[in-house]
Amino acid sequence: QKEVEQDPGPLSVPEGAIVSLNCTYSNSAFQYFMWYRQYSRKGPELLMYTYSSGNKEDGRFTAQVDKSSKYISLFIRDSQPSDSATYLCAMQGGGGKLIFGQGTELSVKP
Amino acid sequence: EADIYQTPRYLVIGTGKKITLECSQTMGHDKMYWYQQDPGMELHLIHYSYGVNSTEKGDLSSESTVSRIRTEHFPLTLESARPSHTSQYLCASSPGLAINEQFFGPGTRLTVL
Repeated sequence: QKEVEQDPGPLSVPEGAIVSLNCTYSNSAFQYFMWYRQYSRKGPELLMYTYSSGNKEDGRFTAQVDKSSKYISLFIRDSQPSDSATYLCAMQGGGGKLIFGQGTELSVKP
Repeated sequence: EADIYQTPRYLVIGTGKKITLECSQTMGHDKMYWYQQDPGMELHLIHYSYGVNSTEKGDLSSESTVSRIRTEHFPLTLESARPSHTSQYLCASSPGLAINEQFFGPGTRLTVL
């Protein structure tokens, strides 16, 4: 079983829609939970991170962590065509190593 | 401008050739990483370094080797390329804080014929 599972998509939504991206994990030692965004032919870049359970909001983006269920989500409000990218969740455990999900490809249609 | 660079961006090469993928960063980060990324698959860590003259193998077994003679430079070498090495190779660096935010280069797309 993989330590981190992410729905690979692809996901296609109309502009303005609310998008929900999700990951589950099995290792309860994970402490930091991150979302990276990767545009086509680019490297991933950190979008948001949270420490432990709870919510964190940054503009149109909200990251949510539920450690009891081992489930994390990224919500995008009022999605824009510029949000079209692959979104990767990543978990950080002891020693600082990152474990990535396989990524969800998102397309926002004008 | 502080950044992380990878060259070449694209490489098509024949079986048996020796190749070196270059990675350089101007952010002064001690920690550097090499990942392999295939479509629809998670990033797999193949090598990492926590400083000059320090290199370790990652979780994914790889026939490649790395060196870290200078802080800013972390090249990856394949002595004899094979079609199974065809993949996207991503280099990253991090400042080594509690949150291990990694800064990625644009990647090298390697195709071995």
